[in-house]
Formats: sequence, C-alpha cells, structure tokens
Amino acid sequence: GQNIDQPTEMTATEGAIVQINCTYQTSGFNGLFWYQQHAGEAPTFLSYNVLDGLEEKGRFSSFLSRSKGYSYLLLKELQMKDSASYLCAVLDSNYQLIWGAGTKLIIKP
Amino acid sequence: GAVVSQHPSRVICKSGTSVKIECRSLDFQATTMFWYRQFPKQSLMLMATSNEGSKATYEQGVEKDKFLINHASLTLSTLTVTSAHPEDSSFYICSARGRGDYEQYFGPGTRLTVT
Repeated sequence: GQNIDQPTEMTATEGAIVQINCTYQTSGFNGLFWYQQHAGEAPTFLSYNVLDGLEEKGRFSSFLSRSKGYSYLLLKELQMKDSASYLCAVLDSNYQLIWGAGTKLIIKP
Repeated sequence: GAVVSQHPSRVICKSGTSVKIECRSLDFQATTMFWYRQFPKQSLMLMATSNEGSKATYEQGVEKDKFLINHASLTLSTLTVTSAHPEDSSFYICSARGRGDYEQYFGPGTRLTVT
C-alpha cells in the first residue's frame, strides 16, 4: 500500500529553526509537495521537489532523497504566523497526490 | 495566476436537503479537478477526481449517488451533497490542475454544517 509518515505535532520557539520530516512509500514517484494549512483554511503551496537535493525559498527550504524515500521541510527564523499544519504529499505514478496526515506546528514566544 | 474560487464559503442546511458547491478556476483551464473533505483535526481525504467532459472517479467508500460531481467546463466543477445529514458536516475543498501541470491549486474551501 501507499504510505506517508510525518510527525503529528511539533513545538518550536519563535526565532528558532524547525525541521519537519516526511517518509514515503508510494507506487511510483513524480514529485513531493509541501503545503501549509492554517486552521479553517485551504492548503497553500510551499514547495515541490522532484530531484534530490535542497530547494531554498526564503525562510523555507525543502530537501528530498528519493533513494531513501525521505523529505524534510526546514523553517528558519520562526514567526508566530508559522503556526499551522504542514502537509507532505507525493505525486504517484498515476499523478495522484497521496497525502500525509499533516504535522501541526506550534510556535511559542 | 492560478486562482481557484469556491462558493459558498459557508453554508448551513437542514437535514434532508441538498447543497451545491461551486469550484471555479479563474485564470486557467482546469482539465482535472479534485474534491476533498476534511474533518476537524484530520488530513485531507480525496473524495473524487473529475476530468472535463467525463464522469468523476470516486474514491473507495464515497457514495457517488450522494455526492454528485459535474465538471461541465474547463473552468467549473460542482459538488452536490444530496439528502445531507449531520455526519456530512465537514470542510469541503476543491483543487484544480491544468493540462500538463503537476501542481494542484486549491480553492478556499466550503464549511458545510447540516442541522
């Protein structure tokens, strides 16, 4: 079966750095997405990785290792507004998105 | 670019009635649209995938006669919840993908409450 694992909840301090991990086992791979979702709102796109390596975009970076079935989202200089759920999703061989359950990130002052 | 709208944003209806939710791609042609449901504190659950001009493909466990999906044009898809019950209360989110595009663009979601 297809499976995506990410931690349920993480807590970090304002101004710090946090890394959210995601491991996956899917039928085929056409890329991995990270989305941010605030409570009561729809997900918003953060990043897309299809090749191994690190993609940096401002305070957010995303890393992918296809051989290990592993990705992480790195958030730097955390702000209170970064409190949200972060969803990892893999595009499988049928170009369907397989979603992780999401990681709720709590930022403390 | 790549904006998707949903209407209504919130709807309250009585048990037994039907509710229609619209999803529109405003600045691109959505060859594929997806309908998701999300219960509180849970992840997105894909309900169905629809390609323009063809019947929707429903995920296992989703009743096609209860959740009617129409993707009549490249910019509009509708989800009709028929004979709604309180357990259908949820956050319904659509997303759209253009031809040859991998990314899904999400609408803002519709909060449905069935009383």
